[in-house]
Amino acid sequence: NAGVTQTPKFQVLKTGQSMTLQCAQDMNHEYMSWYRQDPGMGLRLIHYSVGAGITDQGEVPNGYNVSRSTTEDFPLRLLSAAPSQTSVYFCASSRTSGGAYNEQFFGPGTRLTVL
Amino acid sequence: GENVEQHPSTLSVQEGDSAVIKCTYSDSASNYFPWYKQELGKGPQLIIDIRSNVGEKKDQRIAVTLNKTAKHFSLHITETQPEDSAVYFCAAPANTDKLIFGTGTRLQVFP
Repeated sequence: NAGVTQTPKFQVLKTGQSMTLQCAQDMNHEYMSWYRQDPGMGLRLIHYSVGAGITDQGEVPNGYNVSRSTTEDFPLRLLSAAPSQTSVYFCASSRTSGGAYNEQFFGPGTRLTVL
Repeated sequence: GENVEQHPSTLSVQEGDSAVIKCTYSDSASNYFPWYKQELGKGPQLIIDIRSNVGEKKDQRIAVTLNKTAKHFSLHITETQPEDSAVYFCAAPANTDKLIFGTGTRLQVFP
């Protein structure tokens, strides 16, 4: 099993550009989530999904969109990138819904810089 | 909602010494407390967790203690080794689907 995979590994955007961060898991996990990691701020939840077709907001959802059309994939979209979105982004998955009470499996991260 | 505070932000110890990282939480209803370790350039990985029906849990050199009355929990690493150097995060659930992380502790173990 590859586990949780993320692409790209690095990305540089200009302010106002859009892009999609890809996340996929091959463990048939129901729960998937996106976090951003900033110095001194820890990991903050952006959006999460408890199954295909079901998504909800986390702590810091503004400026980000998600969708979940399949169990395996959970892309994160930035519609109009801003410098405040410069961060390291992690995708995670968990075996069942109720993901906050189960082990989260994290991907390797995407380092995004917005100029 | 749940708020998790973590201290210290950095911790340096000599190899063989013990390290302790402390976290406090705000929601008295929280009953699951995981700890994650993040090595350089990688995603976090669960190392130990504790549920509220126990006060302490051990796994070889690491242990977690929970004080529900005071709403704090701690990670204890004994006989530290250089490979323990990493960033450690505590967490607590805000609800069944939202896990709230602390701000992290960078542990450095010097040979």
